[in-house]
Amino acid sequence: NAGVTQTPKFQVLKTGQSMTLQCAQDMNHNSMYWYRQDPGMGLRLIYYSASEGTTDKGEVPNGYNVSRLNKREFSLRLESAAPSQTSVYFCASSEIGWEGLGYTFGSGTRLTVV
Amino acid sequence: AQSVTQLGSHVSVSEGALVLLRCNYSSSVPPYLFWYVQYPNQGLQLLLKYTTGATLVKGINGFEAEFKKSETSFHLTKPSAHMSDAAEYFCAVSSYNQGGKLIFGQGTELSVKP
Repeated sequence: NAGVTQTPKFQVLKTGQSMTLQCAQDMNHNSMYWYRQDPGMGLRLIYYSASEGTTDKGEVPNGYNVSRLNKREFSLRLESAAPSQTSVYFCASSEIGWEGLGYTFGSGTRLTVV
Repeated sequence: AQSVTQLGSHVSVSEGALVLLRCNYSSSVPPYLFWYVQYPNQGLQLLLKYTTGATLVKGINGFEAEFKKSETSFHLTKPSAHMSDAAEYFCAVSSYNQGGKLIFGQGTELSVKP
């Protein structure tokens, strides 16, 4: 099925460990995003990539890095995980057309840092 | 900067009753407005969106929302709640000059009592 694929779905890390969350889309969208979801705070933008070759910080970028590997793939890296990064992470892609913004979300990665 | 405020983190209604979830936004330019639904342990699904044109927008599953510029509101309604409507609902805002970024509200959890 067309859409946004995130891996892994679940992960437990120890404080200080590193990991990369993977995201791939097959809709030929130009823009891709990483959000984190925490109870009572909605979704907050971590980083985004408006087009292949560009990345920009969002609202909560500290402790994260991203790579737009190609048009399809946008990865999120935690270099030294902290308990505050326990969250559900969503990747999304979008295209802006005459009708406005069309977003597609992945199913999420549930990360626990102990 | 754009922002979204959802009034009420938790709303409870009886099956068959009116559903009203409140959303107010702030934007210095004409907004694009969205409602998303998230069922437990799933990603976000678009319910409806307003970009331009008719201010009353109909979405999936019998939901609709009305864009009221004078009140800076985009409340979500459904005439008769169903048990399957129990989920978390997110209001979000964007605009043509935001590079495709979506700004989310804090979310409202809807409970439906039999």
